[in-house]
Amino acid sequence: DAGITQSPRYKITETGRQVTLMCHQTWSHSYMFWYRQDLGHGLRLIYYSAAADITDKGEVPDGYVVSRSKTENFPLTLESATRSQTSVYFCASSQGAGDIDTQYFGPGTRLTVL
Amino acid sequence: AQSVTQLGSHVSVSEGALVLLRCNYSSSVPPYLFWYVQYPNQGLQLLLKYTSAATLVKGINGFEAEFKKSETSFHLTKPSAHMSDAAEYFCAVSDPGSARQLTFGSGTQLTVLP
Repeated sequence: DAGITQSPRYKITETGRQVTLMCHQTWSHSYMFWYRQDLGHGLRLIYYSAAADITDKGEVPDGYVVSRSKTENFPLTLESATRSQTSVYFCASSQGAGDIDTQYFGPGTRLTVL
Repeated sequence: AQSVTQLGSHVSVSEGALVLLRCNYSSSVPPYLFWYVQYPNQGLQLLLKYTSAATLVKGINGFEAEFKKSETSFHLTKPSAHMSDAAEYFCAVSDPGSARQLTFGSGTQLTVLP
């Protein structure tokens, strides 16, 4: 049971480059989420998806693009990376069975933008 | 907008002592409440969640939390700290009907002293 995986685990890139972070879950969960974690801010929601082809903005969506063509995948793209996007990114998924279903988190991707 | 306050970004306790991590939320409607734990270089793991069935919620690893509506609080406790409890703890809230969006507190780093 692989659960939820993220790739790459570590990424270093340069300002202005496009970067895509991958998230894959094997549970067929309906909901998927992208968060960024910064010191002193906890986790902040970037985008989420309720199902394939349905996505919506979270608290901090600027500079990010998402897509969800398949239920199991939810890639996050930084179209033109900036230093302020240096962070740890977490993907999560939830079953969507009820209002209070649990979100399960991936191991995270540490992104450094030089 | 929903907000979560975790008092104390760093808490130190001796092994065997009581653990108390504080969480207060702001909402006019009782939200759904969660505590997550994050070990170094790992994703977040659910400790417990408030489902409105009971105000005292028991979670994994001996942790529990009590929902107090009058104080808008959901503090996390453990009677006796263990070295393995050293980690970062996050309180999170979700408004009913908010498409499962979680708002996280800024986290509390728990250190357990021998």
